[in-house]
Amino acid sequence: LAKTTQPISMDSYEGQEVNITCSHNNIATNDYITWYQQFPSQGPRFIIQGYKTKVTNEVASLFIPADRKSSTLSLPRVSLSDTAVYYCLVGDGSGGYNKLIFGAGTRLAVHP
Amino acid sequence: DVKVTQSSRYLVKRTGEKVFLECVQDMDHENMFWYRQDPGLGLRLIYFSYDVKMKEKGDIPEGYSVSREKKERFSLILESASTNQTSMYLCASRTPQGRSYGYTFGSGTRLTVV
Repeated sequence: LAKTTQPISMDSYEGQEVNITCSHNNIATNDYITWYQQFPSQGPRFIIQGYKTKVTNEVASLFIPADRKSSTLSLPRVSLSDTAVYYCLVGDGSGGYNKLIFGAGTRLAVHP
Repeated sequence: DVKVTQSSRYLVKRTGEKVFLECVQDMDHENMFWYRQDPGLGLRLIYFSYDVKMKEKGDIPEGYSVSREKKERFSLILESASTNQTSMYLCASRTPQGRSYGYTFGSGTRLTVV
């Protein structure tokens, strides 16, 4: 299973765009890249998933370069409620008996 | 929306007790997982189950067992609780059908063993 590396923590201010980059040098051909968000005392919540190029939903965008060895989660105009831990994971998204491995995540603090 | 429900938010148990953590999902998902989360260590996989009566060890299965008698329910069992099992326990489920849109997690059970 591919290991991921992401910054331990980041700080931002309300209204700014936040980009969190994750590296996954050993990503396999059939691996998808998935990001989760976790608030204190809650379970992680799925944010976005992608395989290549760019994916956008109502919460975030995910940018994946052609070599897929890294990905960037982009949160537009963050607010205080975006303060959370963000996890980047890679794994087989095609089904089967896969399991996702969580790293330590990136702790984002949004300041007023 | 898929719901994953963990029976207790907070539990306090004594060393040596047998502890059952229950997890129920309502969307007919085949795969279910138990993680524990500790500060600085992220989430670590204890056990997972890809179908009824099937189970696989995760990365840290020692001191734990699991039971999956029905598709919707996945139980984590601490045979003899110890203080180093004090942690946040998270259950998750997903369906392995086609492209994955991720896991759904429960709210967690914070277990304290005294």
